[in-house]
Amino acid sequence: KQEVTQIPAALSVPEGENLVLNCSFTDSAIYNLQWFRQDPGKGLTSLLLIQSSQREQTSGRLNASLDKSSGRSTLYIAASQPGDSATYLCAVLPFFSSNTGKLIFGQGTTLQVKP
Amino acid sequence: DTGVSQNPRHKITKRGQNVTFRCDPISEHNRLYWYRQTLGQGPEFLTYFQNEAQLEKSRLLSDRFSAERPKGSFSTLEIQRTEQGDSAMYLCASSSIRTTGDLNTEAFFGQGTRLTVV
Repeated sequence: KQEVTQIPAALSVPEGENLVLNCSFTDSAIYNLQWFRQDPGKGLTSLLLIQSSQREQTSGRLNASLDKSSGRSTLYIAASQPGDSATYLCAVLPFFSSNTGKLIFGQGTTLQVKP
Repeated sequence: DTGVSQNPRHKITKRGQNVTFRCDPISEHNRLYWYRQTLGQGPEFLTYFQNEAQLEKSRLLSDRFSAERPKGSFSTLEIQRTEQGDSAMYLCASSSIRTTGDLNTEAFFGQGTRLTVV
């Protein structure tokens, strides 16, 4: 059974710092991995999607990497800003259920960027 | 297109009452998903539709829960005889499954419906 873990559960950093959020998964047979942002009381906003054949994806100050063999993904945020404060969730799509599109989520890392 | 839309945004109900939520997906998307998220946890899959057909239901979806997607457009999720344990954020997502080339499964989520059962 695929399990997704995100550590730490919470992170507080000063503005301007570069930071890394971690996501690990127990079964390397994934089709893709997606990173989401969730503001308090709101829905999920898709940030980056990495296919299993890819090593990384970049969007602005965000860079997500994928190491399927070790069951890890990282989300790198450069030059953090207070507006980056939110909960970041990673989700995997298992390979053998890829046709369903059913995602398995981690519990999230809540980030606070202090001015 | 304004993305995935969910209504209501918030619902407070007394235990034992029935509630219904609505989700309007992105118009050209053929897949629609329901997830439930409790405080401090990631979303958990409940059920999904391809067009109007409900293809899978999670064990989390007890017989008090029912979902429909008439005509393959909007979807409703009904909870009968609500219990305090049903209090959660109910999230809807949609995607467009393409089977040519790479399977495109990127999911787009709505703002969710926050249910509080008192």
